[in-house]
Amino acid sequence: EAQVTQNPRYLITVTGKKLTVTCSQNMNHEYMSWYRQDPGLGLRQIYYSMNVEVTDKGDVPEGYKVSRKEKRNFPLILESPSPNQTSLYFCASSPDGLSGNTIYFGEGSWLTVV
Amino acid sequence: TQLLEQSPQFLSIQEGENLTVYCNSSSVFSSLQWYRQEPGEGPVLLVTVVTGGEVKKLKRLTFQFGDARKDSSLHITAAQPGDTGLYLCAGAGSYQLTFGKGTKLSVIP
Repeated sequence: EAQVTQNPRYLITVTGKKLTVTCSQNMNHEYMSWYRQDPGLGLRQIYYSMNVEVTDKGDVPEGYKVSRKEKRNFPLILESPSPNQTSLYFCASSPDGLSGNTIYFGEGSWLTVV
Repeated sequence: TQLLEQSPQFLSIQEGENLTVYCNSSSVFSSLQWYRQEPGEGPVLLVTVVTGGEVKKLKRLTFQFGDARKDSSLHITAAQPGDTGLYLCAGAGSYQLTFGKGTKLSVIP
C-alpha cells in the first residue's frame, strides 16, 4: 500500500530536549516536504526536498533542520524545541515536484513542548 | 510569501443545501489544489486545476479555476453529512505549496 509514515504520532517533550520526527515513503517519490498546522494559521511549509541531498527552506524554517540522505526518508529535527513549536506536523511526498502531481500526506504527528 | 484567502472560515448548513467556498489570491499559481481533511488525519487531495477557466466535477463537487489563475471556487450541491470536514485550497509552485487557512464545513442531518 502506498503511504507516507510518520513517527511518533504523538509526543510530549520538554523545552531544549532534541527530538526527531521521522518520515518515510514507499512510493519512490523524489519530492518530500514538512508542514506544520496551527489553529488560525493553517498549514505552513517548513522545509522541502527535491531529491536526495537537495533541501530548501519553506515559509517557516526557523528552529528546524532536515536531512535527505536517502530517497525514502526525510526526518525533521528539532535541535532545541521550544513551546512555540507545539503543533501538528505533516510530512508529504509527490513523484517529482508539485505541478500536476498528486501529493500524499502522512497522518500527522502531534507535538507538545512544555 | 504568496497568500491565499479562503472564505468563509466556518459554514454550517442543513443537509440538501448548496454551498460555495472561495479561494482568492493576488498571485498567479501554476496550479491550484483542493484538499479535504478529517480530524486526526492528513489532507487528502480532491482535485488539481491547472488551466485558467477550467472546471472540474467530482460527483456533487464542482471546482473552478479563475481565468487569471488567481482564484478558485468549490461548489457542493445537495450537501450530505459525509461532506463535513475541513476544506483547504493550496496554490502550487514548482516546489512550494501555499495553503489557505481552510473552511470548516458542518452539514447537519
